[in-house]
Amino acid sequence: EIVLTQSPATLSLSPGERATLSCRASRSVSSYLAWYQQKPGQAPRLLIYDASNRATGIPARFSGSGSGTDFTLTISGLEPEDFAVYYCQQRSSWPPTFGQGTKLEIK
Amino acid sequence: EVQLVESGGGLVQPGGSLRLSCAASGFPFSSYIMNWVRQAPGKGLQWVSYINSGSTTIHYADSVKGRFTISRDNAKNSLYLQMNSLRDEDTAVYYCARGGYCGGDCYSDWGQGTLVTVSS
Repeated sequence: EIVLTQSPATLSLSPGERATLSCRASRSVSSYLAWYQQKPGQAPRLLIYDASNRATGIPARFSGSGSGTDFTLTISGLEPEDFAVYYCQQRSSWPPTFGQGTKLEIK
Repeated sequence: EVQLVESGGGLVQPGGSLRLSCAASGFPFSSYIMNWVRQAPGKGLQWVSYINSGSTTIHYADSVKGRFTISRDNAKNSLYLQMNSLRDEDTAVYYCARGGYCGGDCYSDWGQGTLVTVSS
């Protein structure tokens, strides 16, 4: 199965700053990568699908890029509600797999 | 508004069984792929099972294959997960997730989850 490795494990930033989260796949997933946000006690929420497409209702400050094995989720101008755990997920091959998550915390 | 409401979780002894349900509303349930995804306490997300709209294509994670059975009743707008031979490592919050975008292979909507605890 494809292993997704996210870095860093924890990212400490202040509101207003730019966050850059990374997801690396053990082999190419083409552009079949999604990003989810999860807040404590809540279900995950789909942010980005197919590497760079925002899901409905997702603010423009969230953007995704990459293809093959290296992907980035960028949050430009962090809002207080953005501090959460972020997961990447690939759908290139079965089984679908998730990264271990990056915790974005307030500095 | 899309709503997914899971039920059926609880405490069960190792080797026991549970049946999870997910009641769907706010969208044409019979047209959508559905999945179960779980999250062990303090851990990340793990996909568990997939079922297409007509129940003709079903997939399982290796860790649950042969023990779990996914099914759906489109007339009742409901998704199910029959879990047998439960193990300690099956302890998790179980989410039902609608396959939206990505040809159904991304999880566009999630329920609030139901906690399954396997312990003696």
